[in-house]
Amino acid sequence: DQQVKQNSPSLSVQEGRISILNCDYTNSMFDYFLWYKKYPAEGPTFLISISSIKDKNEDGRFTVFLNKSAKHLSLHIVPSQPGDSAVYFCAASAEGANSKLTFGKGITLSVRP
Amino acid sequence: DGGITQSPKYLFRKEGQNVTLSCEQNLNHDAMYWYRQDPGQGLRLIYYSQIVNDFQKGDIAEGYSVSREKKESFPLTVTSAQKNPTAFYLCASSSGRRGYTFGSGTRLTVV
Repeated sequence: DQQVKQNSPSLSVQEGRISILNCDYTNSMFDYFLWYKKYPAEGPTFLISISSIKDKNEDGRFTVFLNKSAKHLSLHIVPSQPGDSAVYFCAASAEGANSKLTFGKGITLSVRP
Repeated sequence: DGGITQSPKYLFRKEGQNVTLSCEQNLNHDAMYWYRQDPGQGLRLIYYSQIVNDFQKGDIAEGYSVSREKKESFPLTVTSAQKNPTAFYLCASSSGRRGYTFGSGTRLTVV
């Protein structure tokens, strides 16, 4: 049973345009969400997070939106750059689950010059 | 600089051999994790440890073993019982719920 779902395995966008990466979750106990970025043969690096008490968090070109009623979050990258080409993982944690994260399968973003 | 170090970066295993992947952190994090990444599978949890001398099985623990004798170290042994060990292995550590710090990974290949 996959509790964090990234249903689109890949996304291709033109440089300078917006990239929108989607993530859905099923566990209503999740209250903290994170996005990680991963290049091939490297470990994932933290990108941005959001708590369930907010519906938006912004950091430079990256914005995460949370829709709790729909159990949906999205990562917006504006403007997209070729260096953004990577795999993006959505992750979630629940109060009482200590620090353990549940990850989605990832989405491969390709930004075309 | 604080961080998490995995070694070796590349590892080759013969059929029937046990191999051990090293993971060391100097971040003073209590929790440590081992994940496996296969193409199209995302990150699958093998084992995790929330505190020294204690660890729990993750979703795909069969064929793997771990120990947590020191806070800084969480080695993973891939045993001969693991039928498909070729994968990219990632170690992570965390303190609280603010997310993980990952190592750079070990690529294990069966030859």
